[in-house]
Parts: sequence; C-alpha cells; structure tokens
Amino acid sequence: GAVVSQHPSRVICKSGTSVKIECRSLDFQATTMFWYRQFPKQSLMLMATSNEGSKATYEQGVEKDKFLINHASLTLSTLTVTSAHPEDSSFYICSAREAGAYNYEQYFGPGTRLTVT
Amino acid sequence: SQQGEEDPQALSIQEGENATMNCSYKTSINNLQWYRQNSGRGLVHLILIRSNEREKHSGRLRVTLDTSKKSSSLLITASRAADTASYFCATAVKNSGNTPLVFGKGTRLSVIA
Repeated sequence: GAVVSQHPSRVICKSGTSVKIECRSLDFQATTMFWYRQFPKQSLMLMATSNEGSKATYEQGVEKDKFLINHASLTLSTLTVTSAHPEDSSFYICSAREAGAYNYEQYFGPGTRLTVT
Repeated sequence: SQQGEEDPQALSIQEGENATMNCSYKTSINNLQWYRQNSGRGLVHLILIRSNEREKHSGRLRVTLDTSKKSSSLLITASRAADTASYFCATAVKNSGNTPLVFGKGTRLSVIA
C-alpha cells in the first residue's frame, strides 16, 4: 500500500516552454502533498506544500508564478514549470501524506528528471 | 530549509566493513527517518525511529537517536557493493502535523568490492 506515482519519469524540453508533472497517490487519499527539488549531488529541498482544495504554500525563494501547483483532488497534485530555463533542470520529487495519518508518514514518488535545453 | 548536517559527506569503505553515518538536527522532533537513494533514482525508506526511542534495528541496519544531542547515527554492518548510495536523514518536527520532512545534506557511501 501507500504508493505514489509520478509522470513523466523523464522529460526534456526547450527553454521557454512549460512542463507539467503529475503526482498521484494510488491507493490512499492525500490531503497534503509536498514538492521537493534535488540538484545533482545535493539533498532534497522543499519547494512547496499543497493541501487539497487550497493554495499551495511556497518556501522562501521559490517563485510561485514559475512553479504552479494544483492539488485539485485527494489523489492528484500537479507541478507546472512555466517558461522553463536550463537552471530549472533538476530532479523533482513529490511526496504525499495520507488523510488522518499519524506518525507524520510521507510517501515519496519515484521522481521526475527535468532537462531544459 | 534543511534541518542539519550529515557527517561524513562522503565515505568510501571495503566490502564487509561497517559504515557509520551521523546526522544532526536543530529542532525538537517527533521522529527521525533514514532514506537511501541510488544515483538518479527515487528514495527508499529504510527505518524510522521515534523521539522516545534510543535504538532500532532492521536487518543489517542499526539506528541510534540521542535527542539531548539532537543527533542520530546509521550503522550498516557487513557492507556490500549494493549498499553504494546516498543516505539521508529526515526529521519530522514535533507538534507540527502538517509540516513536511526536512532532509539533511546526505552522505555518499561507496562500497568497494
């Protein structure tokens, strides 16, 4: 149980285009989803927290107009990188917390590798 | 933001040796978790230790937690080449049910066959 999927697993796009990444909780309802970014040989840095039906909360330094997050249902959150640039190339990982979860459990997706050329 | 540091940043050992990684954090926590990440892949959850626990075992893994020092250690015994990966600790802040896990900087472990 507690599986989180991400799609696509890899994407290459040209500079200036937008890319949407989907994060789905497959067998549970996720009231909260988190988006992390990981640059090569670095740790995961939290970008934003999204709660179903409300606006996402972004971490300091993360542009909300550039990284659009939509958590429209209890099983789906999307991250759209708008007007992508090469510096946005990174590994994006989503994580979901089950509704009513105790123990602060988070379940992680397998990640999406974004390359902007 | 990141909670703290892992130490060492990189560790290279021979197969069969033990590997010890340390993690320090800054705030009061509900629990601390260790994850493994193979190069270019997603996270694999290894073990969770609660703030009221001091030691936990899982197979070849042994985790300790010292809340007075705000530190944890991960010991991998009898290491194998397949253990080569990055290891991260992550903390769940106490009394903050909706806050995310905060990751340390990680230790890159290389196990040489």
